[in-house]
Amino acid sequence: ELKVEQNPLFLSMQEGKNYTIYCNYSTTSDRLYWYRQDPGKSLESLFVLLSNGAVKQEGRLMASLDTKARLSTLHITAAVHDLSATYFCAVIQGAQKLVFGQGTRLTINP
Amino acid sequence: DAGITQSPRHKVTETGTPVTLRCHQTENHRYMYWYRQDPGHGLRLIHYSYGVKDTDKGEVSDGYSVSRSKTEDFLLTLESATSSQTSVYFCAIRAGGSGQPQHFGDGTRLSIL
Repeated sequence: ELKVEQNPLFLSMQEGKNYTIYCNYSTTSDRLYWYRQDPGKSLESLFVLLSNGAVKQEGRLMASLDTKARLSTLHITAAVHDLSATYFCAVIQGAQKLVFGQGTRLTINP
Repeated sequence: DAGITQSPRHKVTETGTPVTLRCHQTENHRYMYWYRQDPGHGLRLIHYSYGVKDTDKGEVSDGYSVSRSKTEDFLLTLESATSSQTSVYFCAIRAGGSGQPQHFGDGTRLSIL
């Protein structure tokens, strides 16, 4: 059974700082997704990582995938308040089933 | 905007009553999904569909059934609602090939008293 674990689950940081969210998964998969969710809202797709060594960047967010270590990271550079949200990673099981991590609630303080 | 509409957006009902949630899409995507979101669990897949009348179970399918009689509509039914099914329910579609992300609707907040 595929398990996906994120850490930390809660993160409070100051604007301008850098930090990394980690996503570990328990069985082989070659597709990993990152989503963002604002309070009371839907999920927004951020990144799709499809191969070992894949790196994607959008603004202050950068995601990477190491399939051998079964690890993905979401790195935040020079955080700004607008990045406050809950971030989820999700891993494909089989062809269709997405298994989500618990989410990381990120709060960025001015 | 992935063209997904969930209805109702909010519902309060009593234990033992049947409940049906609807997911409607406008772009004829083949794959549709139902998830529930609970604190500390992220999202968990309930059922999914890969075409009209083609469905399969997800991680937490007990107590739920689904139907897809038209490409655009995917219905989730709680035959006899229980308090443990109080949750936020999200519908999703996948546009394009297997590497594409799923896109989510706005969710239905369901409370069972």
